[in-house]
Amino acid sequence: DAGVTQSPTHLIKTRGQQVTLRCSPKSGHDTVSWYQQALGQGPQFIFQYYEEEERQRGNFPDRFSGHQFPNYSSELNVNALLLGDSALYLCASSLTDTDTQYFGPGTRLTVL
Amino acid sequence: GEDVEQSLFLSVREGDSSVINCTYTDSSSTYLYWYKQEPGAGLQLLTYIFSNMDMKQDQRLTVLLNKKDKHLSLRIADTQTGDSAIYFCAETSGTYKYIFGTGTRLKVLA
Repeated sequence: DAGVTQSPTHLIKTRGQQVTLRCSPKSGHDTVSWYQQALGQGPQFIFQYYEEEERQRGNFPDRFSGHQFPNYSSELNVNALLLGDSALYLCASSLTDTDTQYFGPGTRLTVL
Repeated sequence: GEDVEQSLFLSVREGDSSVINCTYTDSSSTYLYWYKQEPGAGLQLLTYIFSNMDMKQDQRLTVLLNKKDKHLSLRIADTQTGDSAIYFCAETSGTYKYIFGTGTRLKVLA
């Protein structure tokens, strides 16, 4: 039973560029959440997708956007990258109407 | 507002018990979780407790919840060097998002 997978593992971008991160949920899960974890901090909620719609959003600017596909996989897009966007981006999946989220290994984004 | 606090560091000797503490502010929390993060890795779910429980035991792990004081603890019995990691508590009030603490770095001395 495959767990949550994310790609790529690492990514290096420069300021002003755009980036797309990908997530495949755990088998049987239909809900995907994205979190940003800055160095030395706990994860911060970005948004959650269910039925291809953004269901809830945290305190992140519109530069952060996402998408969920019919197969429940998801993308996180960040436009106009800033140095402060450097972080580990974590995807978590869950089955709707249950609260337990299972996390992937993350994508480490470095913005130079 | 929603806030979760943890102490930053804990050091224990191998074979001893570890107790990691967490306090939260949201009185409407429904589930509280403990996750483990090893260097460069994602979060591994260890255990969780529903807010109407006050204790849950799962092998070497014991979770205690004091809802009145909004205090959660994770006890690891017979701590091993492989338990060295950062431990996060998180709470949710059914609004889909998790609120995480800043993590407690556990160091196990051989």
